[in-house]
Amino acid sequence: ELKVEQNPLFLSMQEGKNYTIYCNYSTTSDRLYWYRQDPGKSLESLFVLLSNGAVKQEGRLMASLDTKARLSTLHITAAVHDLSATYFCAVDLNFGNEKLTFGTGTRLTIIP
Amino acid sequence: GAVVSQHPSWVICKSGTSVKIECRSLDFQATTMFWYRQFPKQSLMLMATSNEGSKATYEQGVEKDKFLINHASLTLSTLTVTSAHPEDSSFYICSARRTGRNQPQHFGDGTRLSIL
Repeated sequence: ELKVEQNPLFLSMQEGKNYTIYCNYSTTSDRLYWYRQDPGKSLESLFVLLSNGAVKQEGRLMASLDTKARLSTLHITAAVHDLSATYFCAVDLNFGNEKLTFGTGTRLTIIP
Repeated sequence: GAVVSQHPSWVICKSGTSVKIECRSLDFQATTMFWYRQFPKQSLMLMATSNEGSKATYEQGVEKDKFLINHASLTLSTLTVTSAHPEDSSFYICSARRTGRNQPQHFGDGTRLSIL
C-alpha cells in the first residue's frame, strides 16, 4: 500500500522567511504533484514533476523531486501572507492511470 | 484550458435522502473521472475511479451500493449518495482527465454535503 507523508503538518512562519515542506512516499513512482487548497475550496494545481531531478519554480515556490530517495520538496522563499493555504503532494499510484494518493497535507500560515 | 464543473456546490438535506452530485468536463472529453472525499482538516481520499461506459472501480472500504457512480458520457459523471446519513457529511471533489499518457487530473470546485 502506497503511503505518502508530509512534514510538517502545520507550519506558522513570518513573512519574508524561507521554509521547506517535505513529501515522502513509500513505493516507486516517477510522477508527483503539488496542489494548493484554500479553506472551503477545491484544489489548485501548482506543479507536476515527471522525472528524477525535476525542479520547477513559480514565483516564490519551487518544487523538486528525488525519485531515488522517494522525496519531494516544496520550498517557499520570502513568504508572503497570500501563500497561506494547505499544500498537498500527491503521487501517481499506477503509472499511466493517474490514480493519485494524496499526502497528509501541510497547513501553512504566514504571519504578517 | 480544462474546466471541470461540479454541481451543486453545497447541499443540506435530511437523513435518509439520496443526493446526486454532477461532475462535467466543459471543454474536453474525459475518459476517466475520479471521485474523492475530504473530511474537515484531512486529506483527500479516493473513493472510486469512473470510466466512461463501464462500471466504476471502488476503493477498498467504499460501499458501492451506498455511493452510486454513473459515467454515461465523455463529459459527465454522477455520484449519488443513497439514503445519506450524518456520517456521510463531507466535501466531495471530482476530477477528470483526458485520454492518453501523462494527462493531468483537473479538479472540480467540490460539493459540500451536510446531512442533518
